[in-house]
Amino acid sequence: NAGVTQTPKFQVLKTGQSMTLQCAQDMNHEYMSWYRQDPGMGLRLIHYSVGAGITDQGEVPNGYNVSRSTTEDFPLRLLLAAPSQTSVYFCASSYTYQGNTGELFFGEGSRLTVL
Amino acid sequence: AQRVTQPEKLLSVFKGAPVELKCNYSYSGSPELFWYVQYSRQRLQLLLRHISRESIKGFTADLNKGETSFHLKKPFAQEEDSAMYYCALLDAYGNNRLAFGKGNQVVVIP
Repeated sequence: NAGVTQTPKFQVLKTGQSMTLQCAQDMNHEYMSWYRQDPGMGLRLIHYSVGAGITDQGEVPNGYNVSRSTTEDFPLRLLLAAPSQTSVYFCASSYTYQGNTGELFFGEGSRLTVL
Repeated sequence: AQRVTQPEKLLSVFKGAPVELKCNYSYSGSPELFWYVQYSRQRLQLLLRHISRESIKGFTADLNKGETSFHLKKPFAQEEDSAMYYCALLDAYGNNRLAFGKGNQVVVIP
């Protein structure tokens, strides 16, 4: 099992460019989410999904877009990159049982720099 | 709204000394709390959860509802404990989102 796979691991963008961070999991998890990790701010939830076709906003959704067309994939799109989006991004997934989320499994992270 | 507070950002301890990472939470319901750890060059991973009431790698954490705390403790720190530690709270009213604190960087001095 690969677990949670994120690509790319590193990316440099110019302000105004767009890009997609890919996330895939092979554990048949219903729940998937995106976090950003910033020094002194910890991990903040951007968007999440409780199943294919269902997405919702987290704490810091502005400037990001997500979709969940399959159980396995949960891409994060940056529409117009800004320097404030420079961060490390983590994708995480979990099974759900009777509505409860279990242990979160994280990807290795994607380090994004916006110039 | 639920909130998780980890007051110290950086904690330096000598090897063999006790280590305690503080976590306080605010939540209107019955909380479900976790500690996650990120070792250097490794993925963030679950360390322990309060409902398991177990000790992992010598760490324990007790939920104190009166003090709304879930502090992480280890009596004798080891060098391999150097890592980033995050306290997290499951928001059962918000589609089971996991809210993280700001994290504690622990450095164990040999």
